[in-house]
Amino acid sequence: GAVVSQHPSRVICKSGTSVKIECRSLDFQATTMFWYRQFPKQSLMLMATSNEGSKATYEQGVEKDKFLINHASLTLSTLTVTSAHPEDSSFYICSARDPSGESSYNEQFFGPGTRLTVL
Amino acid sequence: RKEVEQDPGPFNVPEGATVAFNCTYSNSASQSFFWYRQDCRKEPKLLMSVYSSGNEDGRFTAQLNRASQYISLLIRDSKLSDSATYLCVVTQIRGFQKLVFGTGTRLLVSP
Repeated sequence: GAVVSQHPSRVICKSGTSVKIECRSLDFQATTMFWYRQFPKQSLMLMATSNEGSKATYEQGVEKDKFLINHASLTLSTLTVTSAHPEDSSFYICSARDPSGESSYNEQFFGPGTRLTVL
Repeated sequence: RKEVEQDPGPFNVPEGATVAFNCTYSNSASQSFFWYRQDCRKEPKLLMSVYSSGNEDGRFTAQLNRASQYISLLIRDSKLSDSATYLCVVTQIRGFQKLVFGTGTRLLVSP
């Protein structure tokens, strides 16, 4: 399957700082990438859909001014958590859809995730 | 009510046992159905798709009942390596196929 990378894999920061997470599709071009968040013992929740060359679409309840998404190229999307607070500590996972894939539903390939801890 | 509901478990089974997981979904307009596997602190990985006609892949069998909005996963001859959290996933159409995840069912296979 297609490969998606995320960087960094783990970050610890002080409250009030901003953290940028990168998501890259390594062997395919992804016009659409997705950002999820997973709190302990909870399900993955879609935060936003990142579209190359246009504004991201945010799910209800997700603050677009706090979680800035940029999808400047077909292989890179970034999520910036601005003014992070301890309640933002979570596992952030991106995924990318390979539109050229043979799967009829365009399987989403997940990155390895970024564990954010805000002190 | 959650869109996708699963028993969180954990299910503790010995090696070689057969174990079944169930999942219900609330949106009758859901289009596609999947089981994903997630290991601790890792990303989810697609295990298999689920069809009304049933789908079998080696020791794994998945079944969909659209009328009851119910999905199942059966694992035969459990291996230690099957220990993981199994996520029930359905899709909704939002211009693209949005994945909606259940909280997962944790499986622990012991020697």
